[in-house]
Amino acid sequence: ELKVEQNPLFLSMQEGKNYTIYCNYSTTSDRLYWYRQDPGKSLESLFVLLSNGAVKQEGRLMASLDTKARLSTLHITAAVHDLSATYFCAGGDYGGSQGNLIFGKGTKLSVKP
Amino acid sequence: EAGVVQSPRYKIIEKKQPVAFWCNPISGHNTLYWYLQNLGQGPELLIRYENEEAVDDSQLPKDRFSAERLKGVDSTLKIQPAELGDSAVYLCASSLAGHTDTQYFGPGTRLTVL
Repeated sequence: ELKVEQNPLFLSMQEGKNYTIYCNYSTTSDRLYWYRQDPGKSLESLFVLLSNGAVKQEGRLMASLDTKARLSTLHITAAVHDLSATYFCAGGDYGGSQGNLIFGKGTKLSVKP
Repeated sequence: EAGVVQSPRYKIIEKKQPVAFWCNPISGHNTLYWYLQNLGQGPELLIRYENEEAVDDSQLPKDRFSAERLKGVDSTLKIQPAELGDSAVYLCASSLAGHTDTQYFGPGTRLTVL
C-alpha cells in the first residue's frame, strides 16, 4: 500500500527566499501530483509528473520526480506572499481498475514580507 | 468552463441527524469521487464512480454512509445518523479519462456535527 510523506508540514518563509518541499513515497507510483489549496477553497492541480527525471515549472514553482529515490520535490524560487497556501503531493496507487490517489498531509506555507 | 459544483458549502447539524451533500461534476467527466478531508490532513477517498457504477467503495463506512449517482452525472452523499467524528470537509472531484487522469476538485462541504 502506497504511503506518502511530506516535509516539512509547516514552512514560514520570507519573501524573496528559496525553499524546497519534499515528498517521499513508499512504493512504486505511476504518477505524482502536486496540488495547492487555499483556505476554504478547493484543491487546484499544479503539476503531474509521469516519469523519472520529469521536471515541470510554472512561475516560481518547479516540481521534479526521482522514481529511483521515490522522491518528488517542489521548489519555490523568490517566494511572494501570493504563494501562501497548503501544498499537497499525491501518488497514484493504481492496481488494475482499483486504486486511487494517496495524499500526503500537506505543507502549509506562509510567506511573510 | 464551470468547475465541480458542491452544495451546501457549510452544514451544521446535531448528532444523530441525517445530512446529504450534492455534487455536480465538470461536464463530460465520467469519473466522480467523494473524499473526506479532516483538519490538517490530506483528502482520503470514500467512493469512486465510473458513470453510475460505484467501482471503489472500500473506504466508505457503509453502516451510516451511502452514495448514489443516478444517470451518471450528479451525485449525492448521505450520512445517517451523523456522529461527532464525522465533522470534516467532504470534497467531490471528477476526472475526464478514468481514475488515472487528473482529478479536479470542488470547493467542498464543511460539516460540523454538534
